Amino acid sequence: QKEVEQNSGPLSVPEGAIASLNCTYSDRVSQSFFWYRQYSGKSPELIMSIYSNGDKEDGRFTAQLNKASQYVSLLIRDSQPSDSATYLCAVNMRTGKLIFGQGTTLQVKP
Amino acid sequence: DAGVIQSPRHEVTEMGQEVTLRCKPISGHDYLFWYRQTMMRGLELLIYFNNNVPIDDSGMPEDRFSAKMPNASFSTLKIQPSEPRDSAVYFCASTIRGLSEKLFFGSGTQLSVL
Repeated sequence: QKEVEQNSGPLSVPEGAIASLNCTYSDRVSQSFFWYRQYSGKSPELIMSIYSNGDKEDGRFTAQLNKASQYVSLLIRDSQPSDSATYLCAVNMRTGKLIFGQGTTLQVKP
Repeated sequence: DAGVIQSPRHEVTEMGQEVTLRCKPISGHDYLFWYRQTMMRGLELLIYFNNNVPIDDSGMPEDRFSAKMPNASFSTLKIQPSEPRDSAVYFCASTIRGLSEKLFFGSGTQLSVL
């Protein structure tokens, strides 16, 4: 089992729809969770961090964490073509290492 | 602040040659990370430093890879000898106060080993 797993996609949604990105992790002790966005040919940039169970909202983005299920998700409301990118889930493991998932490619079609 | 600076942006070399990648972290950041990204394996952590000291190098693929951080403003990742399977984008990232803080990535070095 990979330490952090994501569906590679591509996930295709129409403009204005809600995009839902999912991530599971293996280490129950993990405390810190992050979503990074990476445009093609660019470096990753942090868009959301979440540390406790529940939802955290920032503009059109909502991160959801369920530690019991070892599951973290990212919702993007009113998706825009500019949201088309690869979204990387990252988890801070008990080992102290920040491990990234493979990433999910999102395509928002006008 | 100029952000994390990596050089070179692109490196093309032949198998067997030595390759040195360079990174200047953001001033004041006490953690520095080297990641490698490929389509097959995604973004893999190779090694990270805290206050210039290597903390975990378990992700370094083999003895051909080595990393140093002689001072707070400079780090190198060296591959000797290089092999075609080392072809990837290598990212350096820095942060402050540990792994629960935002990582700032450099622009990456695109390495091609022929």
